[in-house]
Amino acid sequence: SSYLTQDPAVSVTLGQTVRITCQGDSLNTYYASWYQQKPGQAPILVIYSKNNRPSGIPDRFSGSSSGNTASLTITGAQAEDEADYYCNSRDNSGNLHVVFGGGTKLTVL
Amino acid sequence: QVQLQQWGAGLLKPSETLSLTCAVHGGSFSDYYWSWIRQSAGKGLEWIGEINHSGDTNYNPSLKSRVTISIDTSKNQFSLRLISVTAADTAIYYCGRRRTNNRDPWFDPWGQGTLVTVSS
Repeated sequence: SSYLTQDPAVSVTLGQTVRITCQGDSLNTYYASWYQQKPGQAPILVIYSKNNRPSGIPDRFSGSSSGNTASLTITGAQAEDEADYYCNSRDNSGNLHVVFGGGTKLTVL
Repeated sequence: QVQLQQWGAGLLKPSETLSLTCAVHGGSFSDYYWSWIRQSAGKGLEWIGEINHSGDTNYNPSLKSRVTISIDTSKNQFSLRLISVTAADTAIYYCGRRRTNNRDPWFDPWGQGTLVTVSS
């Protein structure tokens, strides 16, 4: 399959831990990367290749992978973490194409 | 620190051609693939395609028949051309630097985005 599936919406209580998931057949072969997008802004990379954080991204963001599912975990969610989150990886066609998940809207309560 | 700055026409009529350009400031231009991604209103991200400094391209199969991505290494710029646009092509278009560890792809940084509206 060329598709990555994400839950449309997830909520978390301030200070608690939340996991956002991304499922797809290609994740059995490739690792996912994750992006945060706030309204009116371009996405920013928060995790790449399973569990690597770019400089400047808080260490409360982490990634993991198991089978066909990748996860982004925010440990101790902050109000500023409220955003849309997208995963991406390669598709499974063997043509090196890139696919994105449909996105998850995270609400911090 | 690499920065991407993009520009292009924001309002098109159906059947016209979308043209956008992205300039790369700072960092190496030759070591990466340079990509276009779009986002329709209220929807997710869609990868359009990419090019490297040698002119090698990869395109989303769903858009391949209408898309051309080109590169000008003398100016550190790359461009998107999408022909025969329809209302379905209305979206925010982003340029981005695609990085890889020879297996997994990720995009960092991104351009600021250009809203392209197709309307008669």
